[in-house]
Amino acid sequence: DTGVSQDPRHKITKRGQNVTFRCDPISEHNRLYWYRQTLGQGPEFLTYFQNEAQLEKSRLLSDRFSAERPKGSFSTLEIQRTEQGDSAMYLCASSFAGTEQYFGPGTRLTVT
Amino acid sequence: KQEVTQIPAALSVPEGENLVLNCSFTDSAIYNLQWFRQDPGKGLTSLLLIQSSQREQTSGRLNASLDKSSGRSTLYIAASQPGDSATYLCAVGQAQGGSEKLVFGKGTKLTVNP
Repeated sequence: DTGVSQDPRHKITKRGQNVTFRCDPISEHNRLYWYRQTLGQGPEFLTYFQNEAQLEKSRLLSDRFSAERPKGSFSTLEIQRTEQGDSAMYLCASSFAGTEQYFGPGTRLTVT
Repeated sequence: KQEVTQIPAALSVPEGENLVLNCSFTDSAIYNLQWFRQDPGKGLTSLLLIQSSQREQTSGRLNASLDKSSGRSTLYIAASQPGDSATYLCAVGQAQGGSEKLVFGKGTKLTVNP
């Protein structure tokens, strides 16, 4: 396994459009996390899955954001009606319970 | 609410120098602590993981310590090299809720000059 992968790596969209990002975790990892990072800041937690169950969501995750992890494998993060404030790097991480989190390369979103 | 602070925000050193990066956190109820490296525009690379019951971890030229009671961790880099130039992030794993989500500091931007 080559690690956590994310697609696309870059996304430019116009305000009001919907976007979807994909994350493929390390295959044996049962936990999957989404974080968001803006320029000059550390990543901030968005949501967490254990297998296919979404067990925690940050208050940062407004109603325009939805995440899924069907069958406990890959995950998608969708942002509806994007706003300029959504511009950020979206990072996915995976882990096996209690161990270190491994991060993907991120998806950089630019909303114009 | 957990807050993680990293000092200094930026550091510039000549090649070969030993250096220490500092991380402090306000809530000692942590599950673990991870140090990461981030190159510009890239994702995070895990450097060291310290479980809450451990005092330190070593990997090559890197040594991380953890003092949970005082809410502090340090990352020691020996014999720094230009290739070490990057932003170093400290993150604490929260014990509440079972998610072990990470709370990050803003990072220390390290520049090692040849």
